[in-house]
Amino acid sequence: NAGVTQTPKFRVLKTGQSMTLLCAQDMNHEYMYWYRQDPGMGLRLIHYSVGEGTTAKGEVPDGYNVSRLKKQNFLLGLESAAPSQTSVYFCASSYFGNYEQYFGPGTRLTVT
Amino acid sequence: AQTVTQSQPEMSVQEAETVTLSCTYDTSESDYYLFWYKQPPSRQMILVIRQEAYKQQNATENRFSVNFQKAAKSFSLKISDSQLGDAAMYFCACLISGTYKYIFGTGTRLKVLA
Repeated sequence: NAGVTQTPKFRVLKTGQSMTLLCAQDMNHEYMYWYRQDPGMGLRLIHYSVGEGTTAKGEVPDGYNVSRLKKQNFLLGLESAAPSQTSVYFCASSYFGNYEQYFGPGTRLTVT
Repeated sequence: AQTVTQSQPEMSVQEAETVTLSCTYDTSESDYYLFWYKQPPSRQMILVIRQEAYKQQNATENRFSVNFQKAAKSFSLKISDSQLGDAAMYFCACLISGTYKYIFGTGTRLKVLA
């Protein structure tokens, strides 16, 4: 099993550009999450999904959109990137009855 | 709102010694879970240990153990016989049962000195 994978690993965007981060998991987990990690801030939840076709807002959802069309994939979109979105983004998944989160390796995004 | 506080931004420990990382949390809920995650320089987050709030017994995983004080809302991590590979950022996290929302602390950077 590959576990949780994230694409891409690094990206540099200019202000106003758009992009999509892809998260994939092969563990048949129901729940998937997107976090951002900033220095001194820990991990903050952006959006999450409790199943295929469902998404919900987390702590810091503004400027991001998500979709979960397939159970194994969870996409995070930035429609118009801003420098404040420079961060490391982590995807995670978990399954019902077990609250351990399995994390991807992260994506470092820089917006100039 | 739930909060998780890690008051030690950085800690150091001598190899083979014991170190304790502090975590306090605030919630009015009675059913929740607590976690310690490790993030080495590779950035990969790894679960170290978990504790169910309804369990009085402190969780242990090999050299890692917790001191769970429910009334004080404290959840500290003890690392015994510290090894160089233990050097990492450690995050404390809380999950309220049924909410799916994990709240993370700001992390403690642990340095292990040879």
